Amino acid sequence: QVTLKESGPALVKPTQTLTLTCTFSGFSLSTSGMCVSWIRQPPGKALEWLARIDWDDNKLYSTSLKTRFTISKDTSKNQVVFTMTNMDPVDTATYYCARTGTGGTIDYWGQGTLVTVSS
Amino acid sequence: QAVLTQPSSLSASPGASASLTCTLRSGINVGPYRIYWYQQKPGSPPQYLLRYTSDSDKQQGSGVPSRFSGSKDASANAGILLISGLQSEDEADYYCMIWHNSACVFGGGTKLTVL
Repeated sequence: QVTLKESGPALVKPTQTLTLTCTFSGFSLSTSGMCVSWIRQPPGKALEWLARIDWDDNKLYSTSLKTRFTISKDTSKNQVVFTMTNMDPVDTATYYCARTGTGGTIDYWGQGTLVTVSS
Repeated sequence: QAVLTQPSSLSASPGASASLTCTLRSGINVGPYRIYWYQQKPGSPPQYLLRYTSDSDKQQGSGVPSRFSGSKDASANAGILLISGLQSEDEADYYCMIWHNSACVFGGGTKLTVL
C-alpha cells in the first residue's frame, strides 16, 4: 500500500524559508523509475507543479520559480525534503507530495498540508 | 497563453455523458503527448483517473471505473475525458496534465456539476 504524508509548519512569515518533508511508504526511491513530486494548490485555485526528484537524484523544477526551490531525498528514511525561500503571502497554499512513477504518472498523493504565509 | 486550457465549468444530467476538453497551446501538437486526468473533490487530494496517448497506449488508474475514458481530438489539438453514465458522485473538479519540456503542467481545471 502506497502512502505519502506531508509535514511542516502551518504558518510562516513573509521572507522566511519553508521546509516541508514528505514521508512515504509502499515504494522506494532507490527503485529505477520512481520519483516524488511536489505540487501546490492555492485556496480555490488550480494545481501547480513545483519540483520532482528522481531515483537517480535527477531534479526538475518549475522554470518560473526554480531559483527559490531545493529538493532532496533521504532514501534510507523514505523521505523527500522540499525547501522554498523568500515566502510571500501569494505562496499560501496546500502543498502536496505525490509519487511519480515510470513515464511521469503522478498516481498517489498525500493528503496535503496547508501553509499560510502571514506576518 | 497557457499551455493547457480547460473550460472552467460544465453541467450535465445524471445518466448522461460529459466530455471534458483539455486544449494544448497552439504550436504544441497533442499527438505525441500523454494526457493525464485527475479528479478532485472538495477537501481531498486529486485522484489519478487515467492517462491517454493513443488507443494502443493508455492506462486506467487503479480502481477507476471504465465509464471514465480518454481520447484525443487532433483537429482541436485537445485531449478529452469522457465520463459516461454520470452519477452524482462524479461532481468534482477535473484537471488534465502533461509533461512538457521536462516540466509538469496542469490545466486550470473544469468544475463538473451533475444536476
